[in-house]
Amino acid sequence: KAGVTQTPRYLIKTRGQQVTLSCSPISGHRSVSWYQQTPGQGLQFLFEYFSETQRNKGNFPGRFSGRQFSNSRSEMNVSTLELGDSALYLCASSQGQLNTEAFFGQGTRLTVV
Amino acid sequence: QKEVEQNSGPLSVPEGAIASLNCTYSDRVSQSFFWYRQYSGKSPELIMSIYSNGDKEDGRFTAQLNKASQYVSLLIRDSQPSDSATYLCAVTDGGSQGNLIFGKGTKLSVKP
Repeated sequence: KAGVTQTPRYLIKTRGQQVTLSCSPISGHRSVSWYQQTPGQGLQFLFEYFSETQRNKGNFPGRFSGRQFSNSRSEMNVSTLELGDSALYLCASSQGQLNTEAFFGQGTRLTVV
Repeated sequence: QKEVEQNSGPLSVPEGAIASLNCTYSDRVSQSFFWYRQYSGKSPELIMSIYSNGDKEDGRFTAQLNKASQYVSLLIRDSQPSDSATYLCAVTDGGSQGNLIFGKGTKLSVKP
């Protein structure tokens, strides 16, 4: 059974640019959550999509957005990149019901210069 | 502000000893609790989940949950150098299924 796949693995972008990250969940999983991990703040929740609808949202500015497609694949977009957006972006896949486990992809390491 | 608190460590134990990792959480409504292991430069890997009070054992790992005290722990028996990693405690945000609140992790070092 294939795991969670994130692409690309590494990205270098310039301030002011935008970026799109992709996440393919485990087959049969309908929920995809996105997290930002930095050394200072740890893992912070961005948003969660379930059956193509945003179900939960964290405390991030509107520059961070996402979507989910009918095959459960999800993308997140960050516009007008800032230096502080440099982080490891992780997506987690789950079945989406109560008391179900979430599994992470390998992450996308974004560096903003 | 809902929080999950962990001792940042580092926690150092000799090989073969029991490592005890602790976590407290602020949201009384949280229903699901997880432990993830994260090696340096890698993504978090789920090692234990627990949903009801008491103990849950899986191999060398035992998770303990006390909802009244808002406390979760992870015991690692017969610790091995390969267990050296950062252990992240995560709890669901209230009744939410898709939003995990993470602690900042405890760094464990197992010395041969």
